[in-house]
Amino acid sequence: QSALTQPASVSGSPGQSITISCTGTRSDVGGYNYVSWYQQYPGKAPKLMIHDVSNRPSGVSNRFSGSKSGNTASLTISGLQAEDEADYYCSSFTSSSTLVFGGGTKLTVL
Amino acid sequence: QLQLQESGPGLVKASETLSLTCTVSDGSISSNSYYWGWIRQPPGKGPEWIGSIYYSGSTYYNPSLKSRVTISVDTSKNQFSLKLSSGTAADTAVYYCARGKQPVNWFDPWGQGTLVTVSS
Repeated sequence: QSALTQPASVSGSPGQSITISCTGTRSDVGGYNYVSWYQQYPGKAPKLMIHDVSNRPSGVSNRFSGSKSGNTASLTISGLQAEDEADYYCSSFTSSSTLVFGGGTKLTVL
Repeated sequence: QLQLQESGPGLVKASETLSLTCTVSDGSISSNSYYWGWIRQPPGKGPEWIGSIYYSGSTYYNPSLKSRVTISVDTSKNQFSLKLSSGTAADTAVYYCARGKQPVNWFDPWGQGTLVTVSS
């Protein structure tokens, strides 16, 4: 199973909104509403930010939102803050009953 | 608040078996609402799901690793374990344990992770 495709890096200024894409196929992202997003700081464990495409766990800021269209899922962060600077990974259930992750996107807050 | 902690050798010789244990605290591993998973992340790369287990012992493995992986649970110790046989340099990674609502979906929370290096 190939990894999901994410842009290597995105950047934005404080207060702006940014979107990170996660592209798969009909066998994963496009076929199931089981896409999740994780935030990871250097040397730390990933933290769940969005699950099942657009659901936000308790305690996660409502500045984070998720969506999906066809084979591409997206994570949008609005009102960008310095603390949002981190790596972001998407994941999806697949038709092979396995879980596949993306290669990660480094978010830089300018 | 539920916490998970990985433990085990940080250095494994090539061809030998990598063994890790995850201890769950402030929560029961026997909860019928959750699954328990292992995920690894090679340096500088994205995570890779290894497999998951239910407290009853039902297991779910990544097909790419299935022939080398064994995940087991010890409810009396509130622990679950990972064994990965025939280690190679490609198995060098930070290994995380985590809780999942389903066996092959999202995980939350994760342990802090432990770096395992496979050397020749």
